[in-house]
Parts: sequence; structure tokens; C-alpha cells
Amino acid sequence: NAGVMQNPRHLVRRRGQEARLRCSPMKGHSHVYWYRQLPEEGLKFMVYLQKENIIDESGMPKERFSAEFPKEGPSILRIQQVVRGDSAAYFCASSPLRGSTDTQYFGPGTRLTVL
Amino acid sequence: GQNIDQPTEMTATEGAIVQINCTYQTSGFNGLFWYQQHAGEAPTFLSYNVLDGLEEKGRFSSFLSRSKGYSYLLLKELQMKDSASYLCAVNMNRDDKIIFGKGTRLHILP
Repeated sequence: NAGVMQNPRHLVRRRGQEARLRCSPMKGHSHVYWYRQLPEEGLKFMVYLQKENIIDESGMPKERFSAEFPKEGPSILRIQQVVRGDSAAYFCASSPLRGSTDTQYFGPGTRLTVL
Repeated sequence: GQNIDQPTEMTATEGAIVQINCTYQTSGFNGLFWYQQHAGEAPTFLSYNVLDGLEEKGRFSSFLSRSKGYSYLLLKELQMKDSASYLCAVNMNRDDKIIFGKGTRLHILP
């Protein structure tokens, strides 16, 4: 049973470009969470999605950031017109059930560097 | 707002015992996680406490007091590979929204 997969592992973008980060949850998991981790900082919740639904996006910046989890395929975190402050590690986690006590399983992360 | 506090850094000696404390003030509480994160890697699950008391799992134990908003992670027989950041995180609601502390960086000396 493969774990949570994220790609790319490392992404370099110039200011103003778009970044697309992908997350494939564990098999059987229908809940996906995105977190951002700045250097020397804790993980910050961004968004919680189920298939085709955004459940909680209270941690998402209002502009330039969007997320989706289509019926087929991975979840995508999209950052438009990236700025240097977007440089961070972006982690995706998945869980099987809403409101379960099962923990969230984290992917290896995508490290975004904005030049 | 939500607040989770834990020490920034701690140092301990190989073979010893170390206790990492975490206090929290959150608007909701369903349980408390501890994660281990090595530099440049994803967090890995260590424990999840829902009820008050101590839960032991091998060399690692985790304690929770809901009335005091307090938890600790106890690591025994420290090994060099235990050098990592330890993240305290609160599960705030039934949707499993987790709020993380900034983490405690643990250095193990030989």
C-alpha cells in the first residue's frame, strides 16, 4: 500500500510564474489536507478537501492560491504569480474518514523555491 | 486565536530521558498529536491522546491533561537518531483540522 505521494519533490520558479503541486492520497483515503511550512516555523494548515469539495479553506491566502481535488486524479495546490515569500515546504496529508481518530498520513512534501 | 506553545530547542545526552512539554489554548479540542520530523523530511506520527493520562509506546510516552491544557512527550533511552523536531498538534474539531505548534528541536549529544 503506497503512502501519500507528492510531486514534484522540488520546484523552482521565478517570480510571477505559476506553481502546481500535486498530491495523491493513500489508497482508500478520501480526505486531503494541505499545509505550508516556512523555514524554522511550524506547519500551517491551508485547506481541507474531499473529492470535488472544499471543506475548509480558512488557512488559504485570499489571492493567488487555489486548491482542488477532482473526482479522478490527484489533488492540486496552485499558486499563481509566485513571490519570494511563497518559498516553503508544502506538505499534503490524507486520512480515510471524516471525524475519525485515525491520524493524518503525510507525504514527503514539495519544496518550492522562488527566485 | 489558537495558541500552542512548546520550547524551541532542547539538548539531551544519549541514553538519557527527556521530556518535551506542550501547552495549548484552542477554541476546540478533540485530541492531541505528537509528530517527529527529521530535517527535510515529512512529519511522522508518534502518538494521539484523547483522554487524560499517560500512553506508553516503547521508548516514547505521551501524557495529556485536558483540564490544564497540557501535554508532554517523554523519550527514554535516547538514541542519536532521535535528534529531530517534535511537533505538538491539536485536533480542533471532528473534521480533523490540526493546528501545529512550531516544534521543539531536540539535539542528542554522544
